Amino acid sequence: DIVMTQSPDSLAVSLGARATINCKSSQSVLYMSKNQNYLAWYQQKSGQPPKLLISWASTRESGVPDRFSGSGSGTDFTLTISSLQAEDVAVYYCQQYYNTPPTFGPGTKVDI
Amino acid sequence: EVELLESGGGLVQPGGSLRLSCAASDFSFTNYAMSWVRQAPGKGLEWVAAISGSGGKAYYADSVKGRFTISRDNSNYTVYLQMNSLRAEDTAVYYCAKDRGYFDYFFDFWGQGTLVTVSS
Repeated sequence: DIVMTQSPDSLAVSLGARATINCKSSQSVLYMSKNQNYLAWYQQKSGQPPKLLISWASTRESGVPDRFSGSGSGTDFTLTISSLQAEDVAVYYCQQYYNTPPTFGPGTKVDI
Repeated sequence: EVELLESGGGLVQPGGSLRLSCAASDFSFTNYAMSWVRQAPGKGLEWVAAISGSGGKAYYADSVKGRFTISRDNSNYTVYLQMNSLRAEDTAVYYCAKDRGYFDYFFDFWGQGTLVTVSS
């Protein structure tokens, strides 16, 4: 199985400041022939199910604010919240879908 | 708006069985694979099982293989998870999740979840 790790475990950011979350996979999730990274990011607010924010490492879902962006390739990825808002307080998970079983990172808690 | 509504969770003794249901609406149900993903209390997310749109193919996490069975009734837009030989470590909120496509294995809509507690 591909093991996903995230750093940091948690971070506290001031309103309006930038938040950066890192995700690393134990093997590459770049499908070379398609030049696509099989990596998604989810946001989970307290008491709610996860919400898909980004797929293919950098493609934002419809309706997701543009302050959320994803980057990276191969084994190293980053989720950036450019200007943190109060409603962004949540746990963020990365997930690889390159191999079965799909596997998730342990999550990064973002607070104000 | 896509809706997924899980039901069937509850308290069950170790070794017991439970069947979860997920009622789906507002999308072309048969065009999409569906998965169950679970989250133990205070923990992260673990994919459990997936089924193709037709119901002809199913895949399982090693942790549940041989004990859990995923199925679907396309005439009633419902996905099921039959859980047998339950263990304490199966205690979790179980989410039904819609696949982006045919076993893309990332999930664009999730239900609210149903809690399964395995305890004597």
